[in-house]
Amino acid sequence: KAGVTQTPRYLIKTRGQQVTLSCSPISGHRSVSWYQQTPGQGLQFLFEYFSETQRNKGNFPGRFSGRQFSNSRSEMNVSTLELGDSALYLCASSGGQGAYGYTFGSGTRLTVV
Amino acid sequence: QKEVEQNSGPLSVPEGAIASLNCTYSDRGSQSFFWYRQYSGKSPELIMSIYSNGDKEDGRFTAQLNKASQYVSLLIRDSQPSDSATYLCAVPTTNAGKSTFGDGTTLTVKP
Repeated sequence: KAGVTQTPRYLIKTRGQQVTLSCSPISGHRSVSWYQQTPGQGLQFLFEYFSETQRNKGNFPGRFSGRQFSNSRSEMNVSTLELGDSALYLCASSGGQGAYGYTFGSGTRLTVV
Repeated sequence: QKEVEQNSGPLSVPEGAIASLNCTYSDRGSQSFFWYRQYSGKSPELIMSIYSNGDKEDGRFTAQLNKASQYVSLLIRDSQPSDSATYLCAVPTTNAGKSTFGDGTTLTVKP
């Protein structure tokens, strides 16, 4: 059973640029959640998608957005990057909106310079 | 008060000892609770889930839940150096597709 695939693994971007991260969940999982992990803030919830619909959104500015496709693959986009956006972005796949726990992808390490 | 709080670390135990990790949560309506292990430079991995009051054992790991006290813990028996990692407590928000994670407790098992 294939795991959760996140691409790319590493990114270096300049302030003001935008970035798109991709996540393919476990086959059959329709829920994809995104989290930001930083040393100071820990794991912070960004948003969750279920069957192409955003079901919940965390307390992040509108520069952070996402979408989910009909095959459950999800993308998140961050526009007008700031230094503080440097973090590990984790995609979490779940069969039941996280009620049964998550399987995380390897993450995308974003560095904004 | 944070929604999910874990005992501050780091925690250091000798090899073979029992490591005890604690977590409290604020939402009395929470129904499920999870422990994740995160090795340095890696993503979190689900290691235990618990839904009912009492103990749940899986190999060397035991999760304990007390909903009245809003308390969940993870015991690691016969700790091994390979158990050295950060342990995250997570509590899903009912029907919201979101989990709240504690800040994590970093465990070091010394040979």
